Amino acid sequence: KNEVEQSPQNLTAQEGEFITINCSYSVGISALHWLQQHPGGGIVSLFMLSSGKKKHGRLIATINIQEKHSSLHITASHPRDSAVYICAVPSGGGADGLTFGKGTHLIIQP
Amino acid sequence: DAGVTQSPTHLIKTRGQQVTLRCSPKSGHDTVSWYQQALGQGPQFIFQYYEEEERQRGNFPDRFSGHQFPNYSSELNVNALLLGDSALYLCASSLGTGVANEQFFGPGTRLTVL
Repeated sequence: KNEVEQSPQNLTAQEGEFITINCSYSVGISALHWLQQHPGGGIVSLFMLSSGKKKHGRLIATINIQEKHSSLHITASHPRDSAVYICAVPSGGGADGLTFGKGTHLIIQP
Repeated sequence: DAGVTQSPTHLIKTRGQQVTLRCSPKSGHDTVSWYQQALGQGPQFIFQYYEEEERQRGNFPDRFSGHQFPNYSSELNVNALLLGDSALYLCASSLGTGVANEQFFGPGTRLTVL
């Protein structure tokens, strides 16, 4: 079964800084999901990618299938970006569903 | 176009009781997945329903069961509640069962077991 590691676990930065969140997984996958969770629980799907790079506004997600690694970048960070960012991959290895990382708790200070 | 909705928002139960949580998928979606998220942890996959059948299941005991109705809405039932069942329960809908399909999450139901 896939194992997912995210880093850092916690990140505090100043408004405007460039943010990078990393995700590594152990078993080859067909696609990786990046999710955003705000206080209170609601989860929003940010990206689903299987290769290369995707961009949406100030968010950029990249994946390296060979190295089993993905990164989520936030440019010109803003306090409203403060949230928990979670990556998720297919469980694989005979297990069903998705396996989620524990999340990166991001705080952007004004 | 309503997104994924869940009810109730919050629920308090005592040990040994049974609980039913409900989920309505995003319009046009036919697949519902359920997740349990303990405090400070990432979500864990419980099971997935498609065409009114359980198609995939995570590592959860039989106390956790579900149902999907013809209109694609779904219920999660938990019997003989334990303190450790206290968590945020999330459902997500998608078009099709593939793990590479984009999933849309509901706001969750926070269950507290006393």
